Amino acid sequence: SQKIEQNSEALNIQEGKTATLTCNYTNYSPAYLQWYRQDPGRGPVFLLLIRENEKEKRKERLKVTFDTTLKQSLFHITASQPADSATYLCALDPGGFKTIFGAGTRLFVKA
Amino acid sequence: EPEVTQTPSHQVTQMGQEVILRCVPISNHLYFYWYRQILGQKVEFLVSFYNNEISEKSEIFDDQFSVERPDGSNFTLKIRSTKLEDSAMYFCASSAGTGTDYGYTFGSGTRLTVV
Repeated sequence: SQKIEQNSEALNIQEGKTATLTCNYTNYSPAYLQWYRQDPGRGPVFLLLIRENEKEKRKERLKVTFDTTLKQSLFHITASQPADSATYLCALDPGGFKTIFGAGTRLFVKA
Repeated sequence: EPEVTQTPSHQVTQMGQEVILRCVPISNHLYFYWYRQILGQKVEFLVSFYNNEISEKSEIFDDQFSVERPDGSNFTLKIRSTKLEDSAMYFCASSAGTGTDYGYTFGSGTRLTVV
């Protein structure tokens, strides 16, 4: 069956450290993969998109990697801040006009 | 910065009633979507809409649901004969294209409570 798996356990890190979140998928061949941030009671906010022919993409303190052989994406936040505390969602296109979301990983950054 | 606007922010309805959730997507976007999120669960795809017709729908989007773009700005989701399990946050989203570097823009959602 098709799955998008993100670590369901919350990630707790100290301010200033790098947070690394993992997204694994099975039985999909996405042309691109996206990462979103979601705060409680709010809609997801788009962060980054990486295409299948791109190994790495960066935006300010964010970095995403995409390994189509491992079927995995890693999402890094460097120099993390308490304001980065949120749920981070991995999303991919299974083909067609839609995006499918993983369950998300909660990140807590402690001051 | 352009926003997707959803109204109402919270809707309480009696089981069996019909509700209409409203959305104003970003004006130059061409693709429109509805998603829902049951409390504590993941964001689930319901339907996508392009060129005035449904492009794709999930198995959740059965005959109880319908979407419409009645004019050049609004995009609505109608839920007929609501059930308790329809209680969720409903998000509207829009995008300029598929696979763009700007992703989807989501609204703040409508919290639907069926009692």
